[in-house]
Amino acid sequence: NAGVTQTPKFRVLKTGQSMTLLCAQDMNHEYMYWYRQDPGMGLRLIHYSVGEGTTAKGEVPDGYNVSRLKKQNFLLGLESAAPSQTSVYFCASSYDSPAGEAFFGQGTRLTVV
Amino acid sequence: AQSVTQPDIHITVSEGASLELRCNYSYGATPYLFWYVQSPGQGLQLLLKYFSGDTLVQGIKGFEAEFKRSQSSFNLRKPSVHWSDAAEYFCAVGGRYGGSQGNLIFGKGTKLSVKP
Repeated sequence: NAGVTQTPKFRVLKTGQSMTLLCAQDMNHEYMYWYRQDPGMGLRLIHYSVGEGTTAKGEVPDGYNVSRLKKQNFLLGLESAAPSQTSVYFCASSYDSPAGEAFFGQGTRLTVV
Repeated sequence: AQSVTQPDIHITVSEGASLELRCNYSYGATPYLFWYVQSPGQGLQLLLKYFSGDTLVQGIKGFEAEFKRSQSSFNLRKPSVHWSDAAEYFCAVGGRYGGSQGNLIFGKGTKLSVKP
């Protein structure tokens, strides 16, 4: 059982480049989340989804876009990367929110130079 | 608005000593409260959760937490710490009302170091 899988695990981007982070879950969860983790800041919610075809903004959505075209996948896009987006990105999913346990991926370490 | 405060950025305890990590939350209705642990280079793992019933909840790895509504707190405790407990611990709050459903908010974390 794979759980939550994030692709890629590491990436270096140049300022202004674009990329998409993929999150896939095989637990048939309705809720999916994208967080960024920065030293001393904990996890901050970027965007989340309460079901296929839905997305909502979290605490720090600027500079990011998301899509949930399929229930099992939640994509995070950076259209024009900036150094301030250097971070570790975590995807999570849960069967219910907030009562359900959130299962986390292993993270994507993104560096923007 | 939901918020979580973990007052202690870094705590060091001796192996075998007791542990208490503090968490204070702000939420307008009945909160759903969680503690997660993150080992270096890993994702987060749920330790325990509370949303109703007995205010003292038991979790994995010998951890427990007590919900105190009057103090808006949800402190994590362990009677005897093991070296393998060294990690970063995150408190989180979620809700079902006021547009909060789906919005799980984390504190900034407390890093635990364990002295031999």
